[in-house]
Amino acid sequence: AQTVTQSQPEMSVQEAETVTLSCTYDTSESDYYLFWYKQPPSRQMILVIRQEAYKQQNATENRFSVNFQKAAKSFSLKISDSQLGDAAMYFCAYRSEYNTDKLIFGTGTRLQVFP
Amino acid sequence: DSGVTQTPKHLITATGQRVTLRCSPRSGDLSVYWYQQSLDQGLQFLIQYYNGEERAKGNILERFSAQQFPDLHSELNLSSLELGDSALYFCASSVDGRSYEQYFGPGTRLTVT
Repeated sequence: AQTVTQSQPEMSVQEAETVTLSCTYDTSESDYYLFWYKQPPSRQMILVIRQEAYKQQNATENRFSVNFQKAAKSFSLKISDSQLGDAAMYFCAYRSEYNTDKLIFGTGTRLQVFP
Repeated sequence: DSGVTQTPKHLITATGQRVTLRCSPRSGDLSVYWYQQSLDQGLQFLIQYYNGEERAKGNILERFSAQQFPDLHSELNLSSLELGDSALYFCASSVDGRSYEQYFGPGTRLTVT
């Protein structure tokens, strides 16, 4: 069974600085998708970025980028030029290409942004 | 706004009771997923429906059931409620069940007293 691990329960960053959130996963599959979701205090789950495992190029969405290391089964999220509105829980998630469409989530990292 | 709607937003009920949570997917989406977010279990997949048929089942208790109707809205029924069922219940939808993007609704906060 696949698992997702986020080893940083909490992180903090100064406004305008860069922060990296870590995520590792375990799978025996070769094709899958990885995601980062943001959950602000409103509790809404917002898709931040996705990565297809077959793509070597790291995904980027504006100030958000990932470092995808397939061999190491690592999928970190880098937030550049952090803003106060980035403060939230961030969840890493895995989705298999086979059998099931369910998302498997990590336990989350709470990001605080200080002015 | 993801386009997925869930009602009610909050629900407070007593142990032993039964409740129904409702979800309307984004227009055009055929697949609906239910997830439970609790303090001790984190975010867990419960069940998926695609175009009215059950497609996948996760760690869903026997006391819980779901269905997807012809108009594609879905309902999650929780019965014989226990204190431990208190959680945030999310519905998500995707276009065809194979699309890698799932869009989440705002969730229903269930409190069992």
